[in-house]
Amino acid sequence: AQKVTQAQTEISVVEKEDVTLDCVYETRDTTYYLFWYKQPPSGELVFLIRRNSFDEQNEISGRYSWNFQKSTSSFNFTITASQVVDSAVYFCALSPTQGGSEKLVFGKGTKLTVNP
Amino acid sequence: DTGVSQDPRHKITKRGQNVTFRCDPISEHNRLYWYRQTLGQGPEFLTYFQNEAQLEKSRLLSDRFSAERPKGSFSTLEIQRTEQGDSAMYLCASSPGQLHTGELFFGEGSRLTVL
Repeated sequence: AQKVTQAQTEISVVEKEDVTLDCVYETRDTTYYLFWYKQPPSGELVFLIRRNSFDEQNEISGRYSWNFQKSTSSFNFTITASQVVDSAVYFCALSPTQGGSEKLVFGKGTKLTVNP
Repeated sequence: DTGVSQDPRHKITKRGQNVTFRCDPISEHNRLYWYRQTLGQGPEFLTYFQNEAQLEKSRLLSDRFSAERPKGSFSTLEIQRTEQGDSAMYLCASSPGQLHTGELFFGEGSRLTVL
């Protein structure tokens, strides 16, 4: 079975603080993909990153960075110097590859509020 | 630049009625997905089309749910004999290629309230 756990339901920070969103996943597949999506108040999910299970290199994109650790089944997301516009619900998701599945298994999300 | 369009954006219906949602994907995207999201939860996969072929269905898609994509362009999701538990946001997404090599582009969703 595939499962994604985002233990932090809500996080509130003050602008310019760094914040890390945790994601732990479970899968029996040896090959899989991990994703992060952002859902702003408008409701439209926005893709942030995709990572395959063979690529454990950390990635940085501007103020965003991702730490993938296969040993602990974690794929954490850090926002550096947070801004009010970062306020949204963030979802971590897992996609199995077995059987050619095209589905995403989402966590419950972490609601981030960045206060001015 | 037209994104994924969903209609209606909001639907209020009485229990037992049928409802239909429409999704217009980004032009030339051959893959189309339906997800359901309830309050405080992440989206749950319902079904997926490649062109007009429905290739994957979740067990969540009971007999009361049916999805079609007749010409490989827009798609409809019909819920028959609605129940209060069907109240949710129904999200549509499209992709130009495989999920594992591309990204999903989501619409803003159709919110269903069953009274």
